[in-house]
Amino acid sequence: AQSVTQLGSHVSVSEGALVLLRCNYSSSVPPYLFWYVQYPNQGLQLLLKYTSAATLVKGINGFEAEFKKSETSFHLTKPSAHMSDAAEYFCAVSALPSGTYKYIFGTGTRLKVLA
Amino acid sequence: ETGVTQSPTHLIKTRGQQVTLRCSSQSGHNTVSWYQQALGQGPQFIFQYYREEENGRGNFPPRFSGLQFPNYSSELNVNALELDDSALYLCASSRQDRGWSTDTQYFGPGTRLTVL
Repeated sequence: AQSVTQLGSHVSVSEGALVLLRCNYSSSVPPYLFWYVQYPNQGLQLLLKYTSAATLVKGINGFEAEFKKSETSFHLTKPSAHMSDAAEYFCAVSALPSGTYKYIFGTGTRLKVLA
Repeated sequence: ETGVTQSPTHLIKTRGQQVTLRCSSQSGHNTVSWYQQALGQGPQFIFQYYREEENGRGNFPPRFSGLQFPNYSSELNVNALELDDSALYLCASSRQDRGWSTDTQYFGPGTRLTVL
């Protein structure tokens, strides 16, 4: 069975500082991993995805994530936070039991960017 | 290219009523998945429709049901609404074929359902 754990329900960083959002996964098969961002009162927007190609994945808005199998991690980073990055971020792992393709999401991390 | 759209945006119902939520999938996509996102939580998988048939279901009771139409749009129906059904309902579309690697799901803006 697959699962996702996001450490830290709230993270605050100063504008211009490094953003690090943590995600650990559990999967009995090689996982596909995703990061989504959700702005207030909106749906989910894909930031980036890992599908067993390069372990360092670059996404939109300057975000990137590194797949580390030995640590079962897929942490999201951005070198310099911008005020517009304030949002909720969700890590997800794909699960494919019996031909059904669904996502299993973490509980989310709310990012606050301080001026 | 048109993205995933959902209607209505907001909905208020009372306990015991029935509700229908609608989703139009992205052009070229044949699969629709529905998720429930309760306040402060991550989305939870309700079910998925692939080529008009249910293709998997999460841990939701039978009063949650759905349909997919030949144009791949979809409906989520919830009967006998309960207070705990209050949530943001998200629809996601993707393109899948049997034997393919998984493809990315693209989410709509959601329908906010409030049950009083």
